[in-house]
Amino acid sequence: ILNVEQSPQSLHVQEGDSTNFTCSFPSSNFYALHWYRWETAKSPEALFVMTLNGDEKKKGRISATLNTKEGYSYLYIKGSQPEDSATYLCASDNTDKLIFGTGTRLQVFP
Amino acid sequence: SQTIHQWPATLVQPVGSPLSLECTVEGTSNPNLYWYRQAAGRGLQLLFYSVGIGQISSEVPQNLSASRPQDRQFILSSKKLLLSDSGFYLCAWSVGRTFTGELFFGEGSRLTVL
Repeated sequence: ILNVEQSPQSLHVQEGDSTNFTCSFPSSNFYALHWYRWETAKSPEALFVMTLNGDEKKKGRISATLNTKEGYSYLYIKGSQPEDSATYLCASDNTDKLIFGTGTRLQVFP
Repeated sequence: SQTIHQWPATLVQPVGSPLSLECTVEGTSNPNLYWYRQAAGRGLQLLFYSVGIGQISSEVPQNLSASRPQDRQFILSSKKLLLSDSGFYLCAWSVGRTFTGELFFGEGSRLTVL
């Protein structure tokens, strides 16, 4: 069974703080790691898809790293803003299907 | 541009009643199609996926079923709903026969079974 775990479950930060979340996944049969942002009352939207060990991707103030050998990925948000408040989901692709973690719920207070 | 729509957005159904959720994709051909469910306090659980018309893979044993009567149409059904079927259902598509492509999600359907 493919188990994808995310921590922390929830996070409250002040505007301007930087923060990071963790996604761990089985390293066997790894194909790709996805990060999605899910804002309240909207659909999840893809942030990054990473495939190679050591991959680093960046989109504005958000970046992600990937370690396929030890089975983890970090998502970083620099200088959090209230509009970053959302649930951040990671999903591991084992060539057959995407398995999602339970997500990290981020709330950024002004 | 590609779009995905699912309906209805909200549904309240009694136990034992049937269910039909529909999802359509526009602007692309031969998409992979998926049904996910988020139950309270849990992550997104893959229910069904389809790589072509009439091809359905089921991930978990349950009283739900899925069908793909047309290339860009995906339907989630049940003959008799259970309380445990309550949750938020998301339809999604991805490009072709690859899973490294990102998923594009519909607006979601919230089902409450009473």
